[in-house]
Amino acid sequence: EPEVTQTPSHQVTQMGQEVILRCVPISNHLYFYWYRQILGQKVEFLVSFYNNEISEKSEIFDDQFSVERPDGSNFTLKIRSTKLEDSAMYFCASSEVPGYNEKLFFGSGTQLSVL
Amino acid sequence: DQQVKQNSPSLSVQEGRISILNCDYTNSMFDYFLWYKKYPAEGPTFLISISSIKDKNEDGRFTVFLNKSAKHLSLHIVPSQPGDSAVYFCAARRVSSGSARQLTFGSGTQLTVLP
Repeated sequence: EPEVTQTPSHQVTQMGQEVILRCVPISNHLYFYWYRQILGQKVEFLVSFYNNEISEKSEIFDDQFSVERPDGSNFTLKIRSTKLEDSAMYFCASSEVPGYNEKLFFGSGTQLSVL
Repeated sequence: DQQVKQNSPSLSVQEGRISILNCDYTNSMFDYFLWYKKYPAEGPTFLISISSIKDKNEDGRFTVFLNKSAKHLSLHIVPSQPGDSAVYFCAARRVSSGSARQLTFGSGTQLTVLP
């Protein structure tokens, strides 16, 4: 079964450093997402992306965050200057078509630890 | 943000019995609801969904019930199996509004099915 793949599975970085989290969505999917889950908290929406542009973003997704689809397969989340509070599990997701009963397929996540 | 609430952090059930997981929401604009299952070290996996025009949706051992007037939904698993042991997330979406993409998640319920 096709799946969303994320790399790396774990990322440790120093506060203030830039990190790039990588995702390969399912090949025929058109909508892409990033969610995150801080330890002990809910899964939170960060951003959605379609047709090479952001279609929706949350308050969390400030100027320190950016997303890109640099080629036909990868979808990346960049955090320019990481903060301690950015430590979380980051999930990439994709869906085939938008619509009422849109189903998101999630990757296994990247655990980001900011020291 | 308490728009979607799962008040039971954990539930234990004997194998073969029914598991009932509950979810409440406060935002009356939500019109589509989903349940996701999550195993450790994996991303959430879609399980079943229901639109606000229905009060029940069934898929094999899984049934979701929606009570719009009470703003409550529940997931029934029968019969429960040890492999169902996971964290179950309730999620909601406002399809009819402009922010159709993002899901709002509950905090999750850890289901343990005892053999």
